[in-house]
Amino acid sequence: TQLLEQSPQFLSIQEGENLTVYCNSSSVFSSLQWYRQEPGEGPVLLVTVVTGGEVKKLKRLTFQFGDARKDSSLHITAAQPGDTGLYLCAGVRAGNMLTFGGGTRLMVKP
Amino acid sequence: DVKVTQSSRYLVKRTGEKVFLECVQDMDHENMFWYRQDPGLGLRLIYFSYDVKMKEKGDIPEGYSVSREKKERFSLILESASTNQTSMYLCASHEGTPYSNQPQHFGDGTRLSIL
Repeated sequence: TQLLEQSPQFLSIQEGENLTVYCNSSSVFSSLQWYRQEPGEGPVLLVTVVTGGEVKKLKRLTFQFGDARKDSSLHITAAQPGDTGLYLCAGVRAGNMLTFGGGTRLMVKP
Repeated sequence: DVKVTQSSRYLVKRTGEKVFLECVQDMDHENMFWYRQDPGLGLRLIYFSYDVKMKEKGDIPEGYSVSREKKERFSLILESASTNQTSMYLCASHEGTPYSNQPQHFGDGTRLSIL
């Protein structure tokens, strides 16, 4: 079974701070997706990274896929209270199945 | 927009009961999935289906079964509910093109408590 280790599990920061969330695996994935989940809702896709070394930006969020396609990171610059939520990385495997990391619960305090 | 609707937001059942969780999607998607979500464990795949009447075991299928009689509907069945099946259950659909990198679209979840 392919596993994804996500860290940290919890993060509580002040508005304006920067943060990085890590997603690591011993297995290679064809691509990796990052989802965000708000309370009472299902996860919603933020981005898909496909190529080793790829970097994608979504406003203040920067996503990177490792060169060997085994790890990924999410960096948030100048975090806002609206960034609060559960962030999930998911490795894409055969049959469009996803292997999820354990999630990072982020709280950004005003 | 894709809409994935789960029939119940909250459900309380008793040990030993047969429990049905229903999921409907409105985008004619080929693939449908059932996950359970527990704190610190992320989402774990229970069962999935590539087409009507087809089903495949996911990573944690024990104690569960599924039914897909129509393309838009995917049901999760707990044959004899146990307390360790208390969890948040999420249904998702996907268009089905292999390696398309399209997202899975999730319902809002059913929080199931087994007493």
